[in-house]
Amino acid sequence: QKEVEQNSGPLSVPEGAIASLNCTYSDRGSQSFFWYRQYSGKSPELIMSIYSNGDKEDGRFTAQLNKASQYVSLLIRDSQPSDSATYLCAVITMEYGNKLVFGAGTILRVKS
Amino acid sequence: NAGVMQNPRHLVRRRGQEARLRCSPMKGHSHVYWYRQLPEEGLKFMVYLQKENIIDESGMPKERFSAEFPKEGPSILRIQQVVRGDSAAYFCASSPALGATNEKLFFGSGTQLSVL
Repeated sequence: QKEVEQNSGPLSVPEGAIASLNCTYSDRGSQSFFWYRQYSGKSPELIMSIYSNGDKEDGRFTAQLNKASQYVSLLIRDSQPSDSATYLCAVITMEYGNKLVFGAGTILRVKS
Repeated sequence: NAGVMQNPRHLVRRRGQEARLRCSPMKGHSHVYWYRQLPEEGLKFMVYLQKENIIDESGMPKERFSAEFPKEGPSILRIQQVVRGDSAAYFCASSPALGATNEKLFFGSGTQLSVL
C-alpha cells in the first residue's frame, strides 16, 4: 500500500458546484495533514492544514479529517474555473522518519 | 512561496555533465527539503537537511546524487554524470523547526532540469 493515496482523476465539476477531493494514508500515527494546490508548471502552494479530527473551514475550502478511517478530504464550494489545478494531499509520517509524504495528486477541472 | 529561492529556474545539461541546483530557505528557516517531480506524477521526497547535517536521505539515489546545506550559503543538490532519466522538476522547501506538529513546508519555484 502506498503511504498516501489519491484518485488521479480528472475530476470534472461544473462552475458553482462543490468539488470533493479524497485522500487515504497508511501511517496510523500521522498527526499533520496538508492540501497543496499546484498549477501546471508551477510550484505547490499550501492551501489547508489540519491536525485534529473534524472539519476545518477557510473561505471556500473545508478540510475534513477522520483518523480512525485514515482519511482526509478537501471540499471546494462554489468551484471556479480558476480552481482547476492538481490538488496534492500530504502527510507528515513518522513511519519512515519525520518527513512530508505526498500523494500523486488529483486533477480538478471546473467547467464554466 | 516567494520566500524560498531556487536557481536556476531552468537548467539544461548534456548526458554525463554535472548539475548543481541551489536553494535558499525562507528567512528564519533552518530546515530544507528536496523533492523531485516527474511529469504527471506527485512529488517524491529525496532528502531533508539541517545546516551542516543530513537528517534523512532515504529518498536519494545511492549513486550520483548528493546534497549539502552548509553553515553559510544555500543548500545544494548535486547530480553527477546526469542521464536523461534525471530530467524532472526539482523543488526545494523549507520549514522553521524539526518535528513540530504544526510544521508547514513552503516551496520554491523549482528548477526544471532537462538532460539532452
